[in-house]
Amino acid sequence: GNSVTQMEGPVTLSEEAFLTINCTYTATGYPSLFWYVQYPGEGLQLLLKATKADDKGSNKGFEATYRKETTSFHLEKGSVQVSDSAVYFCALTSNSGNTPLVFGKGTRLSVIA
Amino acid sequence: DTAVSQTPKYLVTQMGNDKSIKCEQNLGHDTMYWYKQDSKKFLKIMFSYNNKELIINETVPNRFSPKSPDKAHLNLHINSLELGDSAVYFCASSPPDSIRYFGPGTRLTVT
Repeated sequence: GNSVTQMEGPVTLSEEAFLTINCTYTATGYPSLFWYVQYPGEGLQLLLKATKADDKGSNKGFEATYRKETTSFHLEKGSVQVSDSAVYFCALTSNSGNTPLVFGKGTRLSVIA
Repeated sequence: DTAVSQTPKYLVTQMGNDKSIKCEQNLGHDTMYWYKQDSKKFLKIMFSYNNKELIINETVPNRFSPKSPDKAHLNLHINSLELGDSAVYFCASSPPDSIRYFGPGTRLTVT
């Protein structure tokens, strides 16, 4: 079945540091890949997505590239801010019918000033 | 404008009680979901409805019963609450392109 593995947190960084959160997946066919973000006390919000190999999703300075050869979708940001402190979830869904969105376990990021 | 709303935001109740959580979406989506997030932030799909019909029912105890009176609502009723039901429950909806739009969550605490 489909699965997502992401690096375990928590991750603590200083402001303006470079961020990488690793995500690898197992899926049949050609899934769509997502990063969701959950700020403290809130629901999940879509951060970015990619629907086919070599697509790059980007939003709010975050980027992730769909790498089929390494089955990865690592999240990166060049310079994090305190306001980026949140839990980040990698997720995938197959593009066939009503298949469930499978989430990774989430990575908590804390950015300190 | 709220896209996906849930009520209540917080719910504290005793073991053995029956409670409901309501969800409404004004996005016109055909598909709605319930997810459970445990204390370690792990998210797991519970149910999926498409146009008021049950599509996915993961291994959830039958004490949990979703009800979809119309396409815009998917309520979750829980009977005989147990301590292990304490979690944050998220409702979501989606168009055909798979992006999920999540509600703000309902934190359920069973004492």
